[in-house]
Amino acid sequence: QQQVKQSPQSLIVQKGGISIINCAYENTAFDYFPWYQQFPGKGPALLIAIRPDVSEKKEGRFTISFNKSAKQFSLHIMDSQPGDSATYFCAASNQAGTALIFGKGTTLSVSS
Amino acid sequence: NAGVMQNPRHLVRRRGQEARLRCSPMKGHSHVYWYRQLPEEGLKFMVYLQKENIIDESGMPKERFSAEFPKEGPSILRIQQVVRGDSAAYFCASSRDSTNVLTFGAGSRLTVL
Repeated sequence: QQQVKQSPQSLIVQKGGISIINCAYENTAFDYFPWYQQFPGKGPALLIAIRPDVSEKKEGRFTISFNKSAKQFSLHIMDSQPGDSATYFCAASNQAGTALIFGKGTTLSVSS
Repeated sequence: NAGVMQNPRHLVRRRGQEARLRCSPMKGHSHVYWYRQLPEEGLKFMVYLQKENIIDESGMPKERFSAEFPKEGPSILRIQQVVRGDSAAYFCASSRDSTNVLTFGAGSRLTVL
């Protein structure tokens, strides 16, 4: 019940294309869903996050879509750029202060 | 405004030695989390601390691992009698409160020979 399942494990997208990464969760008590971006040798950095009172959140080229009934959320990267090549992690937690539970990550490669 | 500072960045230990990893949270942050990352794996939660208190240690191995966050000074993750399976990147994150908006450090990479 504490798992967050992320797919695909790896993704190759052409420059200018749309990158889509999906996550699914089981625990209906989760109410905070962030995405983190990690470059090799660096720590993860918060990219964008959503709470379940909205179905979509957009920040620049990055959009989170949230489907509460399906217990799924996804990250869309529009106009993907080579600089977006990184590992992306979805995560989930609840406001009771439990720690973030992370998916296993998706390695994105954007070819120029 | 320094971010989360971790040291050492790289640590090499022989089997049976002790490893101590330090984490200074961001200024104004009083909540500290430790995560472990193995190759091809995600970030696994280990422990959540506030000043002088362990809030959640459900992800900590029962033996050889301990963590503290004293009133003064950095948080410390201590691994006693290290084994090769402890080789991993250990990340510390901090937050201002318990809402889980985490800022991560650059990690400490432990190699056990």
